[in-house]
Amino acid sequence: GAGVSQSPSNKVTEKGKDVELRCDPISGHTALYWYRQSLGQGLEFLIYFQGNSAPDKSGLPSDRFSAERTGGSVSTLTIQRTQQEDSAVYLCASSVGLGGTQYFGPGTRLTVL
Amino acid sequence: AQKVTQAQTEISVVEKEDVTLDCVYETRDTTYYLFWYKQPPSGELVFLIRRNSFDEQNEISGRYSWNFQKSTSSFNFTITASQVVDSAVYFCALRTNSGYALNFGKGTSLLVTP
Repeated sequence: GAGVSQSPSNKVTEKGKDVELRCDPISGHTALYWYRQSLGQGLEFLIYFQGNSAPDKSGLPSDRFSAERTGGSVSTLTIQRTQQEDSAVYLCASSVGLGGTQYFGPGTRLTVL
Repeated sequence: AQKVTQAQTEISVVEKEDVTLDCVYETRDTTYYLFWYKQPPSGELVFLIRRNSFDEQNEISGRYSWNFQKSTSSFNFTITASQVVDSAVYFCALRTNSGYALNFGKGTSLLVTP
């Protein structure tokens, strides 16, 4: 079946602009996760969602970052007023329920000029 | 606190050599889960294996094998008869029952040359 999909694959933006990154989980997976991968920090957890429960936002680095998940499926990660340090690859993963093995998408490479 | 250490930053081997990637973890939880992922040059993280803390059986899958030792808090990964297609960055990760986020090591970059 189809894996996790993310769009866009690449995004270049100017400092101060807002960006939206999209994730489409594997069909039937109720849990969805966002991670960030950068050279300096490695792979960092950002947020996860499980069904209609309140998300765990404990990994979001600042209040410029937010995410939502509509209809228990597609998720959007929004970064407001982007900064150069936000440049990274943003990875989305999904699993069959919380605690299930996480399967990752191809990522969105964000470059902030 | 939870931590995963992959001390080997880069490894280079010649095709057909065996290679072991080390992973050492720290956690105070008694129930936890360990993972290995592969990230080829294309960038996508590919799941390889998951191990539960209460199951110390070693696992073999084709040329891949994993050695889980709770006594040394290690979960090492061996590739037998390496191939060029094994060239990738390999990540070890830990999840405990305290949460559902994966804690990743810094990764080991493996280069297999012909």
